[in-house]
Amino acid sequence: KQEVTQIPAALSVPEGENLVLNCSFTDSAIYNLQWFRQDPGKGLTSLLLIQSSQREQTSGRLNASLDKSSGRSTLYIAASQPGDSATYLCAVSNSNYQLIWGAGTKLIIKP
Amino acid sequence: DTAVSQTPKYLVTQMGNDKSIKCEQNLGHDTMYWYKQDSKKFLKIMFSYNNKELIINETVPNRFSPKSPDKAHLNLHINSLELGDSAVYFCASSQPDRSGELFFGEGSRLTVL
Repeated sequence: KQEVTQIPAALSVPEGENLVLNCSFTDSAIYNLQWFRQDPGKGLTSLLLIQSSQREQTSGRLNASLDKSSGRSTLYIAASQPGDSATYLCAVSNSNYQLIWGAGTKLIIKP
Repeated sequence: DTAVSQTPKYLVTQMGNDKSIKCEQNLGHDTMYWYKQDSKKFLKIMFSYNNKELIINETVPNRFSPKSPDKAHLNLHINSLELGDSAVYFCASSQPDRSGELFFGEGSRLTVL
Protein backbone atom coordinates (compact mmCIF):
# COMPACT_ATOMS: atom_id res chain seq x y z
CA LYS A 1 0.00 0.00 0.00
CA GLN A 2 1.41 3.34 -1.08
CA GLU A 3 2.26 5.77 1.70
CA VAL A 4 3.44 9.32 1.23
CA THR A 5 5.38 11.20 3.87
CA GLN A 6 6.39 14.83 3.90
CA ILE A 7 9.16 16.16 6.08
CA PRO A 8 9.29 18.56 7.77
CA ALA A 9 5.69 19.15 8.85
CA ALA A 10 6.46 22.83 9.30
CA LEU A 11 9.29 25.10 8.28
CA SER A 12 10.02 28.74 9.02
CA VAL A 13 12.84 30.52 7.21
CA PRO A 14 13.91 34.13 6.63
CA GLU A 15 13.06 35.76 3.35
CA GLY A 16 15.62 35.27 0.61
CA GLU A 17 16.78 31.82 1.64
CA ASN A 18 16.73 28.82 -0.65
CA LEU A 19 14.89 25.86 0.81
CA VAL A 20 14.00 22.25 0.13
CA LEU A 21 10.82 20.41 0.95
CA ASN A 22 10.88 16.63 0.99
CA CYS A 23 8.39 14.00 -0.07
CA SER A 24 8.94 10.25 0.16
CA PHE A 25 6.80 7.38 -1.05
CA THR A 26 6.95 3.66 -0.36
CA ASP A 27 5.97 2.18 -3.74
CA SER A 28 8.14 3.23 -6.66
CA ALA A 29 5.57 2.11 -9.24
CA ILE A 30 4.06 5.55 -9.67
CA TYR A 31 2.35 7.13 -12.64
CA ASN A 32 3.26 10.70 -11.72
CA LEU A 33 3.95 12.97 -8.77
CA GLN A 34 2.49 16.40 -8.21
CA TRP A 35 3.35 19.25 -5.91
CA PHE A 36 0.54 21.52 -4.81
CA ARG A 37 0.25 24.68 -2.84
CA GLN A 38 -2.65 25.49 -0.53
CA ASP A 39 -3.18 28.93 0.94
CA PRO A 40 -5.28 29.21 4.13
CA GLY A 41 -8.97 28.91 3.35
CA LYS A 42 -8.26 28.36 -0.33
CA GLY A 43 -8.19 25.53 -2.79
CA LEU A 44 -5.14 23.70 -4.07
CA THR A 45 -3.01 25.01 -6.88
CA SER A 46 -0.91 22.63 -8.92
CA LEU A 47 2.71 23.77 -8.97
CA LEU A 48 4.61 21.06 -10.78
CA LEU A 49 3.80 17.67 -12.25
CA ILE A 50 6.55 15.12 -12.84
CA GLN A 51 5.74 12.09 -14.94
CA SER A 52 7.29 8.79 -13.90
CA SER A 53 9.70 8.95 -16.83
CA GLN A 54 10.99 12.40 -15.86
CA ARG A 55 13.57 13.38 -13.27
CA GLU A 56 12.70 17.01 -12.71
CA GLN A 57 10.48 19.89 -13.64
CA THR A 58 11.05 23.60 -13.26
CA SER A 59 8.72 26.56 -13.04
CA GLY A 60 10.18 29.94 -12.19
CA ARG A 61 11.82 29.74 -8.77
CA LEU A 62 10.53 26.22 -8.21
CA ASN A 63 12.29 23.01 -9.11
CA ALA A 64 10.94 19.57 -8.35
CA SER A 65 13.00 16.43 -8.65
CA LEU A 66 11.95 12.80 -8.71
CA ASP A 67 14.01 9.74 -7.82
CA LYS A 68 11.72 6.77 -8.17
CA SER A 69 14.29 4.19 -7.14
CA SER A 70 14.73 5.79 -3.74
CA GLY A 71 11.09 6.85 -3.47
CA ARG A 72 11.85 10.53 -3.07
CA SER A 73 10.93 13.88 -4.47
CA THR A 74 12.14 17.31 -3.45
CA LEU A 75 10.69 20.73 -4.08
CA TYR A 76 13.37 23.38 -4.21
CA ILE A 77 12.30 27.00 -3.74
CA ALA A 78 14.90 29.59 -4.64
CA ALA A 79 15.10 33.07 -3.12
CA SER A 80 12.05 32.57 -0.94
CA GLN A 81 9.51 35.39 -0.54
CA PRO A 82 6.79 36.01 2.05
CA GLY A 83 4.24 35.24 -0.67
CA ASP A 84 5.58 31.69 -0.76
CA SER A 85 4.10 31.11 2.69
CA ALA A 86 1.55 28.31 2.31
CA THR A 87 1.11 24.60 2.86
CA TYR A 88 2.85 22.49 0.23
CA LEU A 89 1.46 19.06 -0.52
CA CYS A 90 2.82 16.29 -2.64
CA ALA A 91 0.70 13.55 -4.12
CA VAL A 92 1.63 10.44 -6.08
CA SER A 93 -0.56 8.65 -8.54
CA ASN A 94 -0.34 4.89 -8.83
CA SER A 95 -2.87 4.81 -11.60
CA ASN A 96 -4.66 7.18 -13.88
CA TYR A 97 -7.27 8.01 -11.35
CA GLN A 98 -6.16 7.93 -7.77
CA LEU A 99 -3.74 10.11 -5.85
CA ILE A 100 -2.17 9.35 -2.51
CA TRP A 101 -1.41 12.48 -0.51
CA GLY A 102 1.21 13.53 1.93
CA ALA A 103 0.16 15.48 5.02
CA GLY A 104 1.85 18.63 3.76
CA THR A 105 4.59 20.98 4.90
CA LYS A 106 3.50 24.31 6.32
CA LEU A 107 5.98 26.91 5.13
CA ILE A 108 6.37 30.34 6.68
CA ILE A 109 8.70 32.87 5.10
CA LYS A 110 9.59 35.62 7.55
CA PRO A 111 10.07 39.12 6.08
CA ASP B 1 -12.06 32.16 -16.45
CA THR B 2 -12.44 29.58 -13.68
CA ALA B 3 -11.36 26.07 -14.66
CA VAL B 4 -13.06 24.16 -11.82
CA SER B 5 -15.84 25.95 -10.02
CA GLN B 6 -17.81 24.82 -6.99
CA THR B 7 -20.92 26.26 -5.41
CA PRO B 8 -21.62 27.20 -2.74
CA LYS B 9 -18.31 28.26 -1.18
CA TYR B 10 -19.82 28.27 2.28
CA LEU B 11 -22.71 26.24 3.61
CA VAL B 12 -24.03 26.32 7.17
CA THR B 13 -26.87 24.00 7.99
CA GLN B 14 -28.53 22.02 10.77
CA MET B 15 -28.05 18.36 11.54
CA GLY B 16 -30.46 16.14 9.66
CA ASN B 17 -30.80 18.41 6.65
CA ASP B 18 -30.03 17.43 3.06
CA LYS B 19 -27.69 19.59 1.01
CA SER B 20 -25.93 19.59 -2.35
CA ILE B 21 -22.64 20.98 -3.61
CA LYS B 22 -22.23 21.53 -7.32
CA CYS B 23 -19.07 21.31 -9.39
CA GLU B 24 -18.38 22.21 -12.98
CA GLN B 25 -15.18 22.11 -15.01
CA ASN B 26 -14.57 23.78 -18.36
CA LEU B 27 -11.27 22.03 -19.09
CA GLY B 28 -12.76 19.27 -21.20
CA HIS B 29 -11.48 16.67 -18.72
CA ASP B 30 -12.96 13.20 -18.59
CA THR B 31 -12.34 12.56 -14.90
CA MET B 32 -13.72 14.41 -11.90
CA TYR B 33 -13.25 13.87 -8.18
CA TRP B 34 -14.63 14.79 -4.81
CA TYR B 35 -12.20 15.13 -1.92
CA LYS B 36 -12.86 15.82 1.74
CA GLN B 37 -10.36 17.82 3.76
CA ASP B 38 -10.77 17.36 7.48
CA SER B 39 -9.76 19.60 10.35
CA LYS B 40 -6.23 18.16 10.27
CA LYS B 41 -5.96 19.19 6.62
CA PHE B 42 -5.79 15.62 5.35
CA LEU B 43 -7.22 15.22 1.88
CA LYS B 44 -9.22 12.05 1.37
CA ILE B 45 -10.71 11.00 -1.91
CA MET B 46 -14.40 10.24 -1.77
CA PHE B 47 -15.45 9.59 -5.34
CA SER B 48 -14.07 9.67 -8.83
CA TYR B 49 -16.03 9.66 -12.07
CA ASN B 50 -14.63 9.05 -15.53
CA ASN B 51 -16.91 10.13 -18.33
CA LYS B 52 -19.98 10.01 -16.07
CA GLU B 53 -19.12 6.55 -14.73
CA LEU B 54 -18.19 5.94 -11.11
CA ILE B 55 -14.68 4.50 -10.88
CA ILE B 56 -13.64 5.20 -7.30
CA ASN B 57 -15.93 5.00 -4.32
CA GLU B 58 -13.98 5.05 -1.11
CA THR B 59 -15.53 4.09 2.21
CA VAL B 60 -18.06 6.86 2.32
CA PRO B 61 -21.45 6.63 4.06
CA ASN B 62 -24.43 6.00 1.81
CA ARG B 63 -25.70 9.42 2.81
CA PHE B 64 -23.22 10.81 0.28
CA SER B 65 -24.36 10.40 -3.30
CA PRO B 66 -22.48 11.82 -6.28
CA LYS B 67 -24.29 12.60 -9.47
CA SER B 68 -22.69 13.26 -12.84
CA PRO B 69 -25.23 14.49 -15.41
CA ASP B 70 -22.44 14.96 -17.94
CA LYS B 71 -18.67 14.77 -17.86
CA ALA B 72 -18.33 18.49 -17.08
CA HIS B 73 -20.38 18.26 -13.90
CA LEU B 74 -20.07 16.24 -10.71
CA ASN B 75 -22.45 17.17 -7.94
CA LEU B 76 -22.38 15.89 -4.37
CA HIS B 77 -25.60 15.36 -2.48
CA ILE B 78 -25.52 14.68 1.25
CA ASN B 79 -28.53 13.35 3.14
CA SER B 80 -29.20 13.54 6.87
CA LEU B 81 -26.20 15.69 7.63
CA GLU B 82 -24.20 14.91 10.77
CA LEU B 83 -21.79 17.00 12.82
CA GLY B 84 -18.87 14.95 11.53
CA ASP B 85 -19.65 15.95 7.98
CA SER B 86 -18.31 19.42 8.72
CA ALA B 87 -15.27 19.83 6.48
CA VAL B 88 -14.09 21.46 3.32
CA TYR B 89 -15.08 19.54 0.21
CA PHE B 90 -12.96 19.94 -2.90
CA CYS B 91 -13.89 19.09 -6.43
CA ALA B 92 -11.13 18.36 -8.92
CA SER B 93 -10.68 17.21 -12.49
CA SER B 94 -7.95 15.67 -14.59
CA GLN B 95 -7.30 14.09 -17.95
CA PRO B 96 -5.53 10.85 -17.07
CA ASP B 97 -4.53 9.90 -20.60
CA ARG B 98 -2.71 13.21 -20.99
CA SER B 99 -0.60 14.64 -18.18
CA GLY B 100 -2.92 13.54 -15.39
CA GLU B 101 -2.45 16.91 -13.72
CA LEU B 102 -5.13 17.58 -11.17
CA PHE B 103 -7.00 20.89 -11.09
CA PHE B 104 -8.93 21.82 -7.98
CA GLY B 105 -11.88 24.01 -7.24
CA GLU B 106 -11.73 26.57 -4.43
CA GLY B 107 -13.50 24.29 -2.00
CA SER B 108 -16.87 24.34 -0.26
CA ARG B 109 -16.77 24.76 3.50
CA LEU B 110 -19.64 22.86 5.08
CA THR B 111 -20.53 23.54 8.70
CA VAL B 112 -23.14 21.35 10.35
CA LEU B 113 -24.62 22.74 13.56
